[in-house]
Amino acid sequence: QQPVQSPQAVILREGEDAVINCSSSKALYSVHWYRQKHGEAPVFLMILLKGGEQKGHDKISASFNEKKQQSSLYLTASQLSYSGTYFCGTEGYTNTGNQFYFGTGTSLTVIP
Amino acid sequence: DGGITQSPKYLFRKEGQNVTLSCEQNLNHDAMYWYRQDPGQGLRLIYYSQIVNDFQKGDIAEGYSVSREKKESFPLTVTSAQKNPTAFYLCASSIGSGGLETQYFGPGTRLLVL
Repeated sequence: QQPVQSPQAVILREGEDAVINCSSSKALYSVHWYRQKHGEAPVFLMILLKGGEQKGHDKISASFNEKKQQSSLYLTASQLSYSGTYFCGTEGYTNTGNQFYFGTGTSLTVIP
Repeated sequence: DGGITQSPKYLFRKEGQNVTLSCEQNLNHDAMYWYRQDPGQGLRLIYYSQIVNDFQKGDIAEGYSVSREKKESFPLTVTSAQKNPTAFYLCASSIGSGGLETQYFGPGTRLLVL
C-alpha cells in the first residue's frame, strides 16, 4: 500500500538538479509532497490532482501521471535549504473508501 | 497564532507502562491523524479521526488507543501491548479527510523506552 520513492538518498552540489519519484501500486486520486528537516515535522509543499497535472513553486515543481500511478518532484538549481527528507503522500482508491499513505522517503543533501 | 501543539517533546516509558501523548489544534480542523516515524523511515498511520467521537484504525494501530471527545484534541495512548514503542510520533490535522486537504503537522513527540 505504501508508495515507493526513488532514489532512497541523493547528494547534490549547490546549483545541481534532482528528480524524486513516487510510485504506487494503486490507482491514485491525488499526490501530496512534503519536506521534513531532521528532527522536525514535515512541511507541505504541494498537492497534485489526477489528470496529468503539473505544478511549480519557485524552483520546485512536480508532475502527476495518473495512468502510470506515478508522481515526480523536480528540484532545479538546488540550494542548501533544500536539504531534508522528501515524502510523497498518495490518496488511492480502495473498496472501503479512499486511503492516504506516505511514501518511503528520499533523503536529499545539498552540499556547497 | 493557529497551529498544532504536541506535548511533551520527549517522553520516557518504563516497561509495562501506558503513556499518553497530547495533540491539540486550534485550526478548527475536522480531521486529525497520528503517525509513527522510525529512524530513516517514512510515516506510518496509527489512527485517524474524521470527526468528533469517531476514529478509525490505520496500518499499525495494535498497541495504541485514541479518543476524540473534543474537536481540538486527539490524544494517543501507547499501551504496554506495544512492544516496540520507541519512535518519533507526529500528530497532524486537516480541514477535511479527503486527499485534497493539506495535512499540517505538530512538532512531534519522541518516545523512548527505559
